[in-house]
Amino acid sequence: ETGVTQTPRHLVMGMTNKKSLKCEQHLGHNAMYWYKQSAKKPLELMFVYSLEERVENNSVPSRFSPECPNSSHLFLHLHTLQPEDSALYLCASSQDTGTNEKLFFGSGTQLSVL
Amino acid sequence: AQKVTQAQTEISVVEKEDVTLDCVYETRDTTYYLFWYKQPPSGELVFLIRRNSFDEQNEISGRYSWNFQKSTSSFNFTITASQVVDSAVYFCALSEASGTYKYIFGTGTRLKVLA
Repeated sequence: ETGVTQTPRHLVMGMTNKKSLKCEQHLGHNAMYWYKQSAKKPLELMFVYSLEERVENNSVPSRFSPECPNSSHLFLHLHTLQPEDSALYLCASSQDTGTNEKLFFGSGTQLSVL
Repeated sequence: AQKVTQAQTEISVVEKEDVTLDCVYETRDTTYYLFWYKQPPSGELVFLIRRNSFDEQNEISGRYSWNFQKSTSSFNFTITASQVVDSAVYFCALSEASGTYKYIFGTGTRLKVLA
């Protein structure tokens, strides 16, 4: 199994839909992250969880709602999104949340909002 | 303020050529970490290297080498004898020891290696 698995790989949704992105890590890490990758922009950190507790919410609109039921799983619930939310959403994990930690990424979910 | 600049948006080389990807960073911290990640077409970013601010030794790993120069705030990445499989987007990133778990990523350099 790969270290960090994300599903689905692709998602197309309308602005009124509700959908969820799923991330699972098999590395025994304590920290998990959601990043947004838009064209020609740096990766944007959205949320950080450490031992299932949210420790960072980087001014993300409330239409994005994270959930971390245990240290291996992370979800991103989406509702009433806007077209500008179309992007690649990447999940990552690290052993802990120290500043020198290596991040391990999933392959991402390519989201298109129509 | 923290900042990472990768001025090269896209580079194309012919296989077996050497190529250098530039990374310039800004930080006020004396202790920080610099990283390079590779993003192949499959999407996941793959860790390549981490350096701390006190270790300016250059590093070589196979065809990859890194040149860290604090005097110019640069952490450049060279691929020797490039191969088609090196085609990817490469990201440089900075993490300050005084900060939190927030990496600052550059905008990435897309490398195309042509056969």
